[in-house]
Amino acid sequence: GAVVSQHPSRVICKSGTSVKIECRSLDFQATTMFWYRQFPKQSLMLMATSNEGSKATYEQGVEKDKFLINHASLTLSTLTVTSAHPEDSSFYICSGSLIRGGYTFGSGTRLTVV
Amino acid sequence: QKEVEQDPGPLSVPEGAIVSLNCTYSNSAFQYFMWYRQYSRKGPELLMYTYSSGNKEDGRFTAQVDKSSKYISLFIRDSQPSDSATYLCAMSAIGYGQNFVFGPGTRLSVLP
Repeated sequence: GAVVSQHPSRVICKSGTSVKIECRSLDFQATTMFWYRQFPKQSLMLMATSNEGSKATYEQGVEKDKFLINHASLTLSTLTVTSAHPEDSSFYICSGSLIRGGYTFGSGTRLTVV
Repeated sequence: QKEVEQDPGPLSVPEGAIVSLNCTYSNSAFQYFMWYRQYSRKGPELLMYTYSSGNKEDGRFTAQVDKSSKYISLFIRDSQPSDSATYLCAMSAIGYGQNFVFGPGTRLSVLP
């Protein structure tokens, strides 16, 4: 149980376009969803925390106008990378917090901006 | 000094060996500790979580927390090639799913 489905798993887009990444909690209600970015050989870096029905809280240094997060329902959160540039190429992962402790991750999205 | 330090490896061990993975941290406020396993190009998978000091065992895995030394460990007994992955420690002062700080991960290879 407690599965987060994330898609797409891989996306290649042109510089200047926008990309939307979706995370759905399949068998639990994710009141809080976290979005991470992982660069090669580095750890997960928290980008933002979103609570259902309210604005996301962004970590320092993360541009909220560039990384739009929507958490309109208890089962769906989206991250839109707007006007993507090559430096945005990374591995993006979402996770939902679990009542029992810890959290469950999506499978990640490999974004390549060319 | 980074908040959470972890030897990046790679760590190579023969099948059946006991593996010890470790993290040190600097923030004495951390109370919630977790270990994740991440296969290549996949999201991290929660392995174990512990609160405060002590040991916790789950199958072949044992998590150990020593708050006085600011040191946590994950032991894997009878290691298998399928255990080959990157192992990340994570910790928080507030609670599970909140304000986590991750270690950079240790890449483990278990050789058949």
